[in-house]
Amino acid sequence: SAVISQKPSRDICQRGTSLTIQCQVDSQVTMMFWYRQQPGQSLTLIATANQGSEATYESGFVIDKFPISRPNLTFSTLTVSNMSPEDSSIYLCSVEDHGGRREQYFGPGTRLTVT
Amino acid sequence: QKEVEQDPGPLSVPEGAIVSLNCTYSNSAFQYFMWYRQYSRKGPELLMYTYSSGNKEDGRFTAQVDKSSKYISLFIRDSQPSDSATYLCASSYSGAGSYQLTFGKGTKLSVIP
Repeated sequence: SAVISQKPSRDICQRGTSLTIQCQVDSQVTMMFWYRQQPGQSLTLIATANQGSEATYESGFVIDKFPISRPNLTFSTLTVSNMSPEDSSIYLCSVEDHGGRREQYFGPGTRLTVT
Repeated sequence: QKEVEQDPGPLSVPEGAIVSLNCTYSNSAFQYFMWYRQYSRKGPELLMYTYSSGNKEDGRFTAQVDKSSKYISLFIRDSQPSDSATYLCASSYSGAGSYQLTFGKGTKLSVIP
């Protein structure tokens, strides 16, 4: 399976600022995904990021708040913009590694605290 | 009603016990079923993958899917303290363009030595 790394692993940010999270994969993948994991809640898909096209956002998530880049087949970034304490969460990227089998592999996550 | 329901626990068992973890789902279009294990402060790790109904066994782990009752199970035999983690079930649709995984909230398992 693909090996996925994320930077930063954790951060504490002030209200109103933005943070960009990086996701790096050790092999080329078509499908990359960004999830949010809030305490006591399910993992929630934010958006799907395919190389060469605009990210597809899920209901409740908008590009102005969570802009995503996907410049190549091994890298993606998620920006959390104009942060508020409600954005405190773990942000995870994942990749689908087996051509349509829906097996997704996750990075270690970025733990964000907004004060 | 959430599409995937999972009892959050916590569940505490003695070492060596058989553990049964369960989820129910409401969407009959789900065809892919997965179990993830998540250790504290780590990302989810894919543990078991099943397409459609049936059983799948991998070492001490057995995944079962009963589509008639919309029930997903994970059994852990001879549980070990290293199995202590949160277990997440997930489901997905078939068909092109529908890659979203729908997760349960996770069940926190503690295996006591």
